Amino acid sequence: LAKTTQPISMDSYEGQEVNITCSHNNIATNDYITWYQQFPSQGPRFIIQGYKTKVTNEVASLFIPADRKSSTLSLPRVSLSDTAVYYCLVGAGRYRNNKFYFGSGTKLNVKP
Amino acid sequence: EAGVTQFPSHSVIEKGQTVTLRCDPISGHDNLYWYRRVMGKEIKFLLHFVKESKQDESGMPNNRFLAERTGGTYSTLKVQPAELEDSGVYFCASSQARDSTDTQYFGPGTRLTVL
Repeated sequence: LAKTTQPISMDSYEGQEVNITCSHNNIATNDYITWYQQFPSQGPRFIIQGYKTKVTNEVASLFIPADRKSSTLSLPRVSLSDTAVYYCLVGAGRYRNNKFYFGSGTKLNVKP
Repeated sequence: EAGVTQFPSHSVIEKGQTVTLRCDPISGHDNLYWYRRVMGKEIKFLLHFVKESKQDESGMPNNRFLAERTGGTYSTLKVQPAELEDSGVYFCASSQARDSTDTQYFGPGTRLTVL
């Protein structure tokens, strides 16, 4: 079981960069790291996925150190609409029988 | 392209009744998953279909829960008889291929309330 640990909550202000770090000490060789965003009354929404080093897409960047025991989701210039719960997930894919193990997530509160 | 859809969005039933939840995955996605979040807890995996076959149902809580995916398209999750502790939000997700980079796309969920 690839357990993840994230801060329960974070506060930020509009326009700031937000970095959310996740620990996954027992990540397996074949595990990928995936981040999801969830708004109230909606299902989790895929943000970004990576295996090592850095991945960037139109909404976020994901930094993964060489030992892969942690990862950091970076959200540039957040807005009020980025207020949501962010989940760091490790695994899925055929090596983990395609299961995602959700932790408690990080509740990000963006203030004006 | 339409996303994962779930029906109903909300269901309120009494203890002992039966409820059936439906999930329509993204067209062409062979993999279909059910998850649920009960009040105050984390989202937990229930089971995984590959086409019409149950690949993994290790997360199903007990034999009151029955999931089917006849024809490998939509899936249903039946709870019979429902108990109070079954209340929560049931999410369905689908993905295209079984590889380590496969992205799961989630539906909006069905909120089940058992009174």
